[in-house]
Amino acid sequence: DAGITQSPRHKVTETGTPVTLRCHQTENHRYMYWYRQDPGHGLRLIHYSYGVKDTDKGEVSDGYSVSRSKTEDFLLTLESATSSQTSVYFCAISEGGHITDTQYFGPGTRLTVL
Amino acid sequence: KNEVEQSPQNLTAQEGEFITINCSYSVGISALHWLQQHPGGGIVSLFMLSSGKKKHGRLIATINIQEKHSSLHITASHPRDSAVYICAVTSNYQLIWGAGTKLIIKP
Repeated sequence: DAGITQSPRHKVTETGTPVTLRCHQTENHRYMYWYRQDPGHGLRLIHYSYGVKDTDKGEVSDGYSVSRSKTEDFLLTLESATSSQTSVYFCAISEGGHITDTQYFGPGTRLTVL
Repeated sequence: KNEVEQSPQNLTAQEGEFITINCSYSVGISALHWLQQHPGGGIVSLFMLSSGKKKHGRLIATINIQEKHSSLHITASHPRDSAVYICAVTSNYQLIWGAGTKLIIKP
């Protein structure tokens, strides 16, 4: 158990509203990731962080921003939610410290944008 | 064409059967990962391997680097093994994910 929690676990919002999802870890891991998972697709990387204030884009970063002001928290923000952002969002950490090391996942957040 | 392909997409079997899930990839890799996603949504890492074979309980993962192929085997399958099994490869400092294989084991 890598001590990863996500909040909220479920959220329903309307198109055009801002949404922030929180990922919290208790183990001081350097690398943290945000993925989205949609039917018919594998996990797709949105953004990742390799330290406090150090973040980089993944393959589906448009429409999303992230922030990491503390080691333990990685926030994902949808500035103006759209229906195409309805998805299940997973946070993950890399135990070994490298982006390609074994990753451990949070329980997921189910977001519905109406 | 996806860089990581899993087969089958869906698999239904009876309890006790020997299960094989396949993963083929088209890129150079430094490691391959197998993960399990439970019906409730949680994702658990099962194996990371770069050669040969690894075993954990009833789960066995093999990889053939020359053939760019990996298999995940489940011996004496049980209904609690029902889940989506995901293959991912490490290539050029990125993780490339397969779409998953949905396994249902009937009692």
